[in-house]
Amino acid sequence: AQSVSQHNHHVILSEAASLELGCNYSYGGTVNLFWYVQYPGQHLQLLLKYFSGDPLVKGIKGFEAEFIKSKFSFNLRKPSVQWSDTAEYFCAVRANTGNQFYFGTGTSLTVIP
Amino acid sequence: DGGITQSPKYLFRKEGQNVTLSCEQNLNHDAMYWYRQDPGQGLRLIYYSQIVNDFQKGDIAEGYSVSREKKESFPLTVTSAQKNPTAFYLCASSIGPDSRETQYFGPGTRLLVL
Repeated sequence: AQSVSQHNHHVILSEAASLELGCNYSYGGTVNLFWYVQYPGQHLQLLLKYFSGDPLVKGIKGFEAEFIKSKFSFNLRKPSVQWSDTAEYFCAVRANTGNQFYFGTGTSLTVIP
Repeated sequence: DGGITQSPKYLFRKEGQNVTLSCEQNLNHDAMYWYRQDPGQGLRLIYYSQIVNDFQKGDIAEGYSVSREKKESFPLTVTSAQKNPTAFYLCASSIGPDSRETQYFGPGTRLLVL
């Protein structure tokens, strides 16, 4: 079975600090990778996704993620966070041939003004 | 205004009762999903449906049941057999079952067992 690990459970940063949230998955085949965000009181929404091609993908609000196949990782980054980035972030993986999404446990990010 | 609606926002249930959570989408999506979100455990898949009149169990289907009689509706019943039903339940949909499709989520229903 696939699994997804997010190593940082709670992250607290000051505004303008750089962000990197870790995501590792366990699956040997071809995968599709996603980062979702849940702002306080809002629905889960897609930040970015990777299927193939350039391993560095850019999403909304200045976020980007890099797929490193050899490390089974898909870390999320942002050069300079804002207070409005305070949210919970979920990494998700879906096998190319599978029907299910597998989500990580989430990382709660708090940005201090 | 297209999207996914879940009702109610909060639901209280007495032990031993079945309760049904509603999920409706007007996105014309074929695939729909139910997840359970618990603190520190992320989202876990309960059931999913790729098309009308078809559904499959996810990782934690025990104590739950679903139906998919209409494309836009995918209700989840939490039965009395579910030993720990208190949780936040999220419904999602995608255009189709293709693994590259984005899932769109509803606002969730918080179920509390009294």
